[in-house]
Amino acid sequence: EDQVTQSPEALRLQEGESSSLNCSYTVSGLRGLFWYRQDPGKGPEFLFTLYSAGEEKEKERLKATLTKKESFLHITAPKPEDSATYLCAVQAQGAQKLVFGQGTRLTINP
Amino acid sequence: EAGVAQSPRYKIIEKRQSVAFWCNPISGHATLYWYQQILGQGPKLLIQFQNNGVVDDSQLPKDRFSAERLKGVDSTLKIQPAKLEDSAVYLCASSRPFDSYEQYFGPGTRLTVT
Repeated sequence: EDQVTQSPEALRLQEGESSSLNCSYTVSGLRGLFWYRQDPGKGPEFLFTLYSAGEEKEKERLKATLTKKESFLHITAPKPEDSATYLCAVQAQGAQKLVFGQGTRLTINP
Repeated sequence: EAGVAQSPRYKIIEKRQSVAFWCNPISGHATLYWYQQILGQGPKLLIQFQNNGVVDDSQLPKDRFSAERLKGVDSTLKIQPAKLEDSAVYLCASSRPFDSYEQYFGPGTRLTVT
């Protein structure tokens, strides 16, 4: 069964304090790994898709990386507006559904 | 481009009552998904449609949940009868034909069963 585990569950940082969120996964053949951002009371917002080990993608202060067993979401010099829950999901080969982790709740204090 | 629309945004019902949620996907998106998100957890797929047809409903509790997508556009998810454990946010998402990598989510319907 495909599984996704995210750590930590919650993370508090000061504005400008860089850190990384972890997403460990087991899947029967990875088709894609996805990162989403979810603000309170809203649906998840798509950030990145990674397809193969070694791939990296960047968007503003966020950079996502992928290995054969895990993905990291690096946040550089975060701002309070980066506060949100970040969700990781995997899609297996031959499947279309996404299997999500439980998310990391990130809080950036000014 | 308009996003995925859902209604209602909030619903409170008593256990054993029935409830229905509506979703209108992004125009041109052939694939539609319903997810259940319990507080503190990630979304879990309930059912996936490709046009009018069901692709995956393996995690849909079929004794109480049903869904339909008439004419390959709007979709309705129904719960009858509701249980306390059905309290959750119900998210609808859609994606383009032949491109299920990027799923776009609606704002969700928060259901509270008392």
